[in-house]
Parts: sequence; structure tokens; C-alpha cells
Amino acid sequence: DGGITQSPKYLFRKEGQNVTLSCEQNLNHDAMYWYRQDPGQGLRLIYYSQIVNDFQKGDIAEGYSVSREKKESFPLTVTSAQKNPTAFYLCASSRERAHGYTFGSGTRLTVV
Amino acid sequence: GIQVEQSPPDLILQEGANSTLRCNFSDSVNNLQWFHQNPWGQLINLFYIPSGTKQNGRLSATTVATERYSLLYISSSQTTDSGVYFCAVSSGGGADGLTFGKGTHLIIQP
Repeated sequence: DGGITQSPKYLFRKEGQNVTLSCEQNLNHDAMYWYRQDPGQGLRLIYYSQIVNDFQKGDIAEGYSVSREKKESFPLTVTSAQKNPTAFYLCASSRERAHGYTFGSGTRLTVV
Repeated sequence: GIQVEQSPPDLILQEGANSTLRCNFSDSVNNLQWFHQNPWGQLINLFYIPSGTKQNGRLSATTVATERYSLLYISSSQTTDSGVYFCAVSSGGGADGLTFGKGTHLIIQP
């Protein structure tokens, strides 16, 4: 079955560490996205990529970085510059015209 | 950017009841989607509906683009309908990301 796989489901980070969240899709979708969700809030866009080797900042890109070397993969690195990284991170993909998004099951990141 | 407001923020109903969730947006859109987030955090796309009306089983949605609102109808609610319902929009087609509302938290009691 086609879908989006995010790993790990839970991640604990110490202060000052960088961590990388994985997102892989086998839907042959061109566009991929990273969102952040805080408790009781909607989703906010971190980064998006419409094609391989190209990506754009979203509304809250500071402290995050991404790469898009393959169509199937869009990893997100949460750097030590992100002041409040504890959140639920969701990856999504869509066809170019973005008629419908498919989401992964998310990664819960906690800073300890 | 576009502002998205959803109402009500919380809704508690008995099993079998009907409900209407509303999404207002501040500017013209060419992409509007409804999602359901289950208690484990998984988001499922319910409708892509920038205009018009669609139905899928007990769920239906209507978007009146000229008046900048969309409605999600749930009929004969079941406990599995519980969760958070999000409306998300884009004026750029959506491939540049969607703007989400804060959601409606729906609890269906048996």
C-alpha cells in the first residue's frame, strides 16, 4: 500500500543537540511538506518542497533545515537554534496541484 | 496571509446526533480541504472542496467561495467520529502549503 512513513514515532532530544526526523513516501507525489502542531493548536507550515533539489521556507522555518535529494524523501533537522522544539511534527505529500494531502502518522519530539 | 477561523471550538454530542462545523476564511482561496485528526494524532483527508458540495457517506461538505465559508456536516454521529476536525486553505493552489484553522474538537458520547 502507498503511504507516508515517519520515523521515529517518539524522539527525545537534549538541549543543544540537532535531531533529524525522517519522512518517506511511495505515492509518487511531487510535493512534500513539514508541519508543526502544538497542543490545542492547528498545524503551522515549517518547510515545503515542490520538486527535487528545491524547497521553500514556510511560516516558522527558523531553527529548522531540510533537504530534498530524492523524490521519496524529505528529512527535517531540528537544530539547536530552535528555541522551543517540543511539539508534534507531521509530514505530508501531495500531487503538484495539491488536490488532497496525505499525512504521515507524526513524530513527537520532546526536549529533556 | 489568509486567516482561518473555525467554530465551534468544542462540541459534545450524543451518538446519533447531527452536527455542523463551520470554517470562515479571510481571502479568496483555490484550495480548501477538511481533515479529521484521531486521538492518536493521525490526520485523514476528508474532502478537497474549494467550491460546491460533496458527500461521502455520513459526511458532506459545502463551500461558498464567494462568501468565504465552508461547512462540514456529520450525520448520525458515531463514537469513532470523535477527534479534531481541521479546515485548511490556500490561495496559491496548495502546493505551497495550506493554512490551517485551530480546529473543532468533537466528542461523541455513547
